[in-house]
Amino acid sequence: QKEVEQNSGPLSVPEGAIASLNCTYSDRVSQSFFWYRQYSGKSPELIMSIYSNGDKEDGRFTAQLNKASQYVSLLIRDSQPSDSATYLCAPFPFSGGYNKLIFGAGTRLAVHP
Amino acid sequence: DGGITQSPKYLFRKEGQNVTLSCEQNLNHDAMYWYRQDPGQGLRLIYYSQIVNDFQKGDIAEGYSVSREKKESFPLTVTSAQKNPTAFYLCASSRGGTSGYNEQFFGPGTRLTVL
Repeated sequence: QKEVEQNSGPLSVPEGAIASLNCTYSDRVSQSFFWYRQYSGKSPELIMSIYSNGDKEDGRFTAQLNKASQYVSLLIRDSQPSDSATYLCAPFPFSGGYNKLIFGAGTRLAVHP
Repeated sequence: DGGITQSPKYLFRKEGQNVTLSCEQNLNHDAMYWYRQDPGQGLRLIYYSQIVNDFQKGDIAEGYSVSREKKESFPLTVTSAQKNPTAFYLCASSRGGTSGYNEQFFGPGTRLTVL
């Protein structure tokens, strides 16, 4: 079983729709979760951090965390073509990993006009 | 203007050569990291450093070396022992420690091609 699992996609959504990106992780002690956005050929950019169960909203982005289910998601409302990118999930810390993030392989999102 | 810089942006290496990738940060972060990303793949950790003069191997350290003589700098050397070095190399930094409030921030990356 992979430590961090994400659907590789592509997830295709029409402009203006809600995009839902999911991530499951195997380490029960992960404290924090980060979502990064990576445009093709560019470096990852941190877009959301979530530290406790529940929802966290920031503009069009909402992160949802359920530690009991070891599941974290990212919702993007009113999706725009500029949201087309790969989204990486990264739990912290991982067992045996002092101050290390383990990144999922990412979900590719395509928003079409 | 705080951030992480990497140089060069593009680097070409001949077979058998060692090359060094630069990473500098002015965020006053204690921890720094090097990742490798191959086309269509996720990030793989090469080396990381929690503090000056200390560093640990990541998951794919073979064929690479690092140093951490200054807090701001964490250069990566790709040696001739690395058989397939063509990849996108990313440097990151974070505050460090075991606190969960430990986001990593990335530099723009160096794209290395072996000729």
